Amino acid sequence: AQRVTQPEKLLSVFKGAPVELKCNYSYSGSPELFWYVQYSRQRLQLLLRHISRESIKGFTADLNKGETSFHLKKPFAQEEDSAMYYCAAYGNQFYFGTGTSLTVIP
Amino acid sequence: KAGVTQTPRYLIKTRGQQVTLSCSPISGHRSVSWYQQTPGQGLQFLFEYFSETQRNKGNFPGRFSGRQFSNSRSEMNVSTLELGDSALYLCASSLGGRAADTQYFGPGTRLTVL
Repeated sequence: AQRVTQPEKLLSVFKGAPVELKCNYSYSGSPELFWYVQYSRQRLQLLLRHISRESIKGFTADLNKGETSFHLKKPFAQEEDSAMYYCAAYGNQFYFGTGTSLTVIP
Repeated sequence: KAGVTQTPRYLIKTRGQQVTLSCSPISGHRSVSWYQQTPGQGLQFLFEYFSETQRNKGNFPGRFSGRQFSNSRSEMNVSTLELGDSALYLCASSLGGRAADTQYFGPGTRLTVL
């Protein structure tokens, strides 16, 4: 079955510390991978997608096909990064993980 | 550009009733997708419409249906409501050229089934 797993429901880091949000996927074929973010009282929005290989707001994500992972990383967390983060995979439809709530402690 | 709008924002129904939710995509977007969000299951894909045709459907019972109009606006309908249908229903629109195009989400409709 197709599945996206985010093992951490809650994650807290101090401002300036590195942050890594984990995402593993189980998908037949080669899905496209995405990270979506929802800031407090805002709508869910795209953060980045693996095919773009871009860095958005200092975040990067590397697709590891061998480990079927797509972890989101940022070297120095900022308070404004506090939000809910969802990993998603697309093959013929979107599958979302259950999300990780990131809190950056000042 | 105006964002994705969903109406109504909140809805309370009782078991057995039916409900229709509406979504207006961003102007120029031709694809509309629907999701159900619950604390236990997270975001689950319901269906996607492109140019008035259902392009994909998630694993939901036939009580869940939808449609898209020529102006790309979309509605979803849930018949014979069950308590478990209580959820936030999100609509997302995209340009639609590729199903995996960037999706822009609406604020959601909060459905409570009593």
